[in-house]
Parts: sequence; structure tokens; C-alpha cells
Amino acid sequence: QVQLVQSGAEVKKPGASVKVSCKVSGYTLTELSMHWVRQAPGKGLEWMGGFDPEDGETIYAQKFQGRVTMTEDTSTDTAYMELSSLRSEDTAVYYCATIQWLAGYYFDYWGQGTLVTVSS
Amino acid sequence: QSALTQPASVSGSPGQSITISCTGTSSDVGAYNYVSWYQQHPGKAPKLLIYDVSTRPSGVSNRFSGSKSGNTASLTISGLQAEDEADYYCTSYTTSSTPVFGGGTKLTVL
Repeated sequence: QVQLVQSGAEVKKPGASVKVSCKVSGYTLTELSMHWVRQAPGKGLEWMGGFDPEDGETIYAQKFQGRVTMTEDTSTDTAYMELSSLRSEDTAVYYCATIQWLAGYYFDYWGQGTLVTVSS
Repeated sequence: QSALTQPASVSGSPGQSITISCTGTSSDVGAYNYVSWYQQHPGKAPKLLIYDVSTRPSGVSNRFSGSKSGNTASLTISGLQAEDEADYYCTSYTTSSTPVFGGGTKLTVL
């Protein structure tokens, strides 16, 4: 059973960066395809990017390219998502989630979410 | 990649059945049998209900079922219960090798 535990809530000023972590247990990060999804207040789910196991590369949604960096520390089984040049519209709950790709394609495990508030 | 289209809201009485549609294109829903559905209660992370169009994970009630025809997938909830009141999202794999979400549907149990 995979468990994903995310870092705590953050408050940032416009223009700053935020780095959210996602600690994996039950599996090693190298066995998983880790992705990030965000949800603005009262809005729907939005895929930001993640690891494509077919290519072995991280892919980003076009909307976030140039502003987001997703990394993994396999020594600690921790994934990170850093979003820069924050603006008020980036206020959202950010989730890490794994995609099952070997048999089908779907998000199977989710972190608890991290609220990032961008406010001056 | 544009979001998949879902109705903003649906409602039903306890015991009734409801269906939520999820319309995409030939580049996502119509291209693969990789549609999944998630239930989200307020303040909680999404929970997987259906994957690969119609497969229920272990532990998910058989009141939830999925189907697909062409570019439109559907989630049916039968025997509505009060605890089914939540937001529901569909997702599909796309020809860009990325996932795309639907806009979400709020289910109200009357």
C-alpha cells in the first residue's frame, strides 16, 4: 500500500517561489509515476505535470512550463514540486498523486494536499 | 489540452439512479479505454471510483458503474445514498501522453 505524505501549508507573497514535498512510503519512488495536481478554491482538478515512465522524463502541462520544476530524491523517496513567480491565481491545494500505467491508466494514490496561499 | 466536459451539477433522491457524462474528443476519451472517475468530498483528496472505463477497484461499491460510447464516458450511481453527495471528476489519457480532467460535477442528494 502506497502512502503519500505532503508538507504543510504555505503562505507566500506574489513573485516568490514555493516548494512542496511528498514523502512516499510502502513503495520506492523509482517504482512509481509521480504527478502533481492542483485545485483552486471552489474549482476543479488541474493536472500540472509528472513523470512519464515511457520516456523516462518529467512532462509539464503547457500552462506551467517555465514556472514549475518537479524533482525526486530517490535516497529519501521524496518528490518535490517547485512553482515560481507566484501570483494570487496560484492559491490552491496542491496534491501529489501516483499514476498507475502498467495496467490501465489512472491516479491510484493521493497525498493529503498542501494549501498554498499567495497573498501580499 | 482542453478539459473534458461534465455537467456542473446533478441531483437525485435517495434510492434513485443518476448518470454523469464526460465528453471529450477523439484525442482523449475516444482514443483509449483509459477513462477514470473520482469522488471528492469537501476538504478531502479525490478517491478513485472507476478506472479503465468500467473497472471498480477493490472496496468500491457496486452501485458505481462506468461506460463509454465514442467520445463520451458516463458514471452511473444507483441506489443513491446521502453519503454519495460529493464532487465527481472524470479523467482520460490523451494522445499527448498526458492526463486531462473534466471540470467536475457536484452531486446533490435531495
